[in-house]
Amino acid sequence: DVVMTQSPLSLPVTPGEPASISCRSSRSLLYSNGNNLLDWYLQKPGQSPQLLIYLGSNRASGVPDRFSGSGSGTDFTLTISRVEAEDVGVYYCMQGLQTPYTFGQGTKLEIK
Amino acid sequence: QVQLVQSGAEVKKPGASVRVSCKASGFTFTAYYIHWVRQAPGQGLEWVGWINLSSGGTKYAQNFQGRVTMTRDTSITTAYMELTRLISDDTAVYYCARDETAAPGLSFEYWGQGTLVTVSS
Repeated sequence: DVVMTQSPLSLPVTPGEPASISCRSSRSLLYSNGNNLLDWYLQKPGQSPQLLIYLGSNRASGVPDRFSGSGSGTDFTLTISRVEAEDVGVYYCMQGLQTPYTFGQGTKLEIK
Repeated sequence: QVQLVQSGAEVKKPGASVRVSCKASGFTFTAYYIHWVRQAPGQGLEWVGWINLSSGGTKYAQNFQGRVTMTRDTSITTAYMELTRLISDDTAVYYCARDETAAPGLSFEYWGQGTLVTVSS
């Protein structure tokens, strides 16, 4: 199975400040078509996960442009340019390369 | 609008079975796949498997092989996940999520609200 490792696991952030989350995979997620098969999801408290970023760097519909995804191969980063109170929750990366599709452990973002 | 509405919470005894439903609306049912993902209390996300809503073909995670069955009823646009021989570690919220391809590069753009399954004697 592809192992996904996130860091940090806890991320206290002051509103208006930037934040970044790292995700590493145990094998390259760079596919033959040039896409990186890595998604980011946010699970707000008491809610279902929601798609933020797909194929490594593409924002999903309705996602604010303060969210961006970068990276390639085995190393990826989710960046929030200016954190807002509504961004609290647990962020997960997920590999879409092969089954079983696997998620990182989650990074809990909280407001200072 | 796309909606995935799941059945209500269940409490089961060890060794029993549970079936969770996922009622779909707002899209062409047979053009997609439904995946099931579970989340144990306070834990992360674990992929269970998928079903092709057109053909009924399935693929399950190895961890659940032999215990999980995914089906669908196209007449009522509903997908189901049945898990048998329940143990306490199966206590979790089970989510259904929609995907276009079940191929490399898939994404889960729409999710159900989740169904809590509690396994307790």
